[in-house]
This record gives sequence, C-alpha cells and structure tokens, in this order.
Amino acid sequence: EAGVVQSPRYKIIEKKQPVAFWCNPISGHNTLYWYLQNLGQGPELLIRYENEEAVDDSQLPKDRFSAERLKGVDSTLKIQPAELGDSAVYLCASSSRGGPGNTIYFGEGSWLTVV
Amino acid sequence: ELKVEQNPLFLSMQEGKNYTIYCNYSTTSDRLYWYRQDPGKSLESLFVLLSNGAVKQEGRLMASLDTKARLSTLHITAAVHDLSATYFCAVDADDKIIFGKGTRLHILP
Repeated sequence: EAGVVQSPRYKIIEKKQPVAFWCNPISGHNTLYWYLQNLGQGPELLIRYENEEAVDDSQLPKDRFSAERLKGVDSTLKIQPAELGDSAVYLCASSSRGGPGNTIYFGEGSWLTVV
Repeated sequence: ELKVEQNPLFLSMQEGKNYTIYCNYSTTSDRLYWYRQDPGKSLESLFVLLSNGAVKQEGRLMASLDTKARLSTLHITAAVHDLSATYFCAVDADDKIIFGKGTRLHILP
C-alpha cells in the first residue's frame, strides 16, 4: 500500500514568489493534515481536513497561505507571496478516523528554501 | 491552550544503558502518539496510546500513558546505536494534535 505522497520534495524560490505543494493521502483516509516543521522543532498544525471540509484552519496564516482539498482526496497548499521565514519542511499526513488506533501517517515532506 | 513538553530535549547515552523520555501535557486527552524522526526523513509512527494505563512495547522501546498525571513515558532498554533519532510525542485534544519539541537521542557506541 502506498503511503502519503508529497511533491515536490525540494523547492528553492526567491522571496515574494509563489509556491505550491501537493499531497496524495493514503487511499481511504478521510482526514488530511498539513503541518509545518522548522529545523529542530516539532511539527505545527496548519490545517486539518475531514473529507473536503477544512475543520481546523486556525493556525493557517491566511494572508499568504491557502489550501484546498477538492473532492476530498488530494490536497494542495499554496504560499503567495513567500517570505524568508517560510523556509521549513511542509508535511502532509493522513488518517482514517475510526481506524485502528487512528494512526496518523506522514509523507516525506516538501522542503522549502526561500532566498 | 494545549501544551506538550518533552524532557529531556537532548540525550546522549551509551549503548546498553536504559533511559526514559518524558512527555507532559496540559489538558485532558486520552490519545497520545509517539513518533521517530531520522535526520532529513519524515515521521515514523511508533505507538498510539488510547487509554489510561496503556502500555505498548516494540523491541527495545516501551511506551506508557497515565492520563490522570497527563504523562507519557518512552522507555529505552539496552540502547543500541540504531535507536539514535529524534523522538516526538503528540497529544490529541479535541481533534487538535499538538507535538512536543522532540527529544534528540544520540547513542554512543
């Protein structure tokens, strides 16, 4: 079974440019998360989806960040315009609510460097 | 606001020794996760603890949960170099999953 797939793995952009990350969760997982992880820190939740509905986006900086999960499967996270402080790893994760232990599975992450 | 604190943040230990990582959290929760992260890699699920008194073991790692004390422990028995990694606990409260800062574990051969 394929895990959570993210792309791109690495991205270097200049500040003020836009960037987008894509996530394909594990098949059948209705809950999808986007986390941000700074170097040496734990992941911080940006947004959580239940199917296509964003049920928790309280930590998403909405002035420059946006996300969507059309059809309740794949999701994209966009930053426009990017700032130097956005350099981090963006992790996508998914889980099946009601599944065994509700384990949350993480993708490999998208490493963003803003220069 | 839910806070999750891990202790210690850094740990260097000899192979063969035992040690415990602590995870304290500030609000009621009955679901706690432990993850492992290797440098440059994503998070690997180790344990999901679902109830008070839950104990799970996998190899040299054992995790426990005390919901009354709001404390989880990850115990390492007879450490080996392959266990060197960063370990995170994460707490689920009201469907908001909050991670600790992680414990960077370095096991010396």
